[in-house]
Amino acid sequence: EVQLLESGGGLVQPGGSLRLSCTVSGLTFSDHAMSWVRQAPGKGLEWVSTLSVGTYYADSVQGRFIISRDNSKSTLHLQMNSLRGEDTGLYFCAQMGSAWGGWFNNWGPGTLVTVSS
Amino acid sequence: EIVLTQSPATLSLSPGERATLSCRASHDVHGYIAWYQQRPGQAPRLLIWDASNRATGIPAKFSGSWSGTDFTLTISSLEPEDFAVYYCQQRSDWPLTFGGGTKVE
Repeated sequence: EVQLLESGGGLVQPGGSLRLSCTVSGLTFSDHAMSWVRQAPGKGLEWVSTLSVGTYYADSVQGRFIISRDNSKSTLHLQMNSLRGEDTGLYFCAQMGSAWGGWFNNWGPGTLVTVSS
Repeated sequence: EIVLTQSPATLSLSPGERATLSCRASHDVHGYIAWYQQRPGQAPRLLIWDASNRATGIPAKFSGSWSGTDFTLTISSLEPEDFAVYYCQQRSDWPLTFGGGTKVE
């Protein structure tokens, strides 16, 4: 069974930084592209970033967020800098179907990020 | 950016009824649409990929179809656990985008 578990969320002031992590088990981590998707409170889903054969970011986070992975630890990271109130939300990591991308096959339960003074 | 417009925003139905959800893409997405179900307090779950293929473990009551830039998710007979929010998503081009969702209540 594939399992994903995010961590690292919390309360941070505007302009601050936070590093999210997602540990994955039940599959060969290095064989799959990975993504972050977020959901503002009471709102819909918003794609944030994907790490596959390339690295992709939503315009809203480009230049502020950095996605990375440690295949030896089956872990995905999201370094979030210069945080804004509109970054508040539940952050999901998602495993994609192949190394080059595909669909969001499996999701973690999410970690909550709150940006507020 | 490819915009996905889902309709209706809310669908009010009873158990046993048929649900038909729509997703319209602003540009040709070549059939690269997926549907996800999100129950309250849970992560989304992949239901349908490439417009009409059921994901592993998804029951046959869920089906997807498409014509041009119009995509449809059909739930043949609603059960209590099907009352949730449904999102479509495209992977034809970056940025990846989701529709605004349809709540089935």
